[in-house]
Amino acid sequence: QKEVEQNSGPLSVPEGAIASLNCTYSDRGSQSFFWYRQYSGKSPELIMSIYSNGDKEDGRFTAQLNKASQYVSLLIRDSQPSDSATYLCAESGGGADGLTFGKGTHLIIQP
Amino acid sequence: EAQVTQNPRYLITVTGKKLTVTCSQNMNHEYMSWYRQDPGLGLRQIYYSMNVEVTDKGDVPEGYKVSRKEKRNFPLILESPSPNQTSLYFCASSLSASGDYEQYFGPGTRLTVT
Repeated sequence: QKEVEQNSGPLSVPEGAIASLNCTYSDRGSQSFFWYRQYSGKSPELIMSIYSNGDKEDGRFTAQLNKASQYVSLLIRDSQPSDSATYLCAESGGGADGLTFGKGTHLIIQP
Repeated sequence: EAQVTQNPRYLITVTGKKLTVTCSQNMNHEYMSWYRQDPGLGLRQIYYSMNVEVTDKGDVPEGYKVSRKEKRNFPLILESPSPNQTSLYFCASSLSASGDYEQYFGPGTRLTVT
């Protein structure tokens, strides 16, 4: 059974600071990785996808992947109160069963 | 607008009364999936479909049925709902037939079974 582990939090970060969210996965065959943001009671929204080792930047968001360490992270620069949400990490090994999700990290940006 | 729609958004029902939650996508996606989300348990996959007439069980299929007669629709059927099926349900779709590419989620259906 594949597993994706995340610290449930809450992770509290001051407004304007960098928020760092981490995720580890169990399957060395995992190929694709995704970060979703979910506001309470709403559906998950895709923020970033990353497929190769290294960093991928999109606006204030940077995803980092280290396949040797089986580790994925998401950095949010210049954190805003609107970034307060639960962040879900997901992975896929390319199989037909789609994505495996972590349970999410609850992020709170303090004004 | 490209989207996944679900209906109803909220439903309160009684034990044993059959119900169907509809899901439709307008993106011509091959892959569709149903998840339930419960506090402390995260998102768990119920069923998925790689194409028309091709469906398979996910991690928690007991008590649920699905069908995929058309590419755009993937209804979730609870033949005899029980209180332990009270949950927040999401339908998702993906361009990739194996679902290993980005998945796009519907708005969710909050189901309460009394």
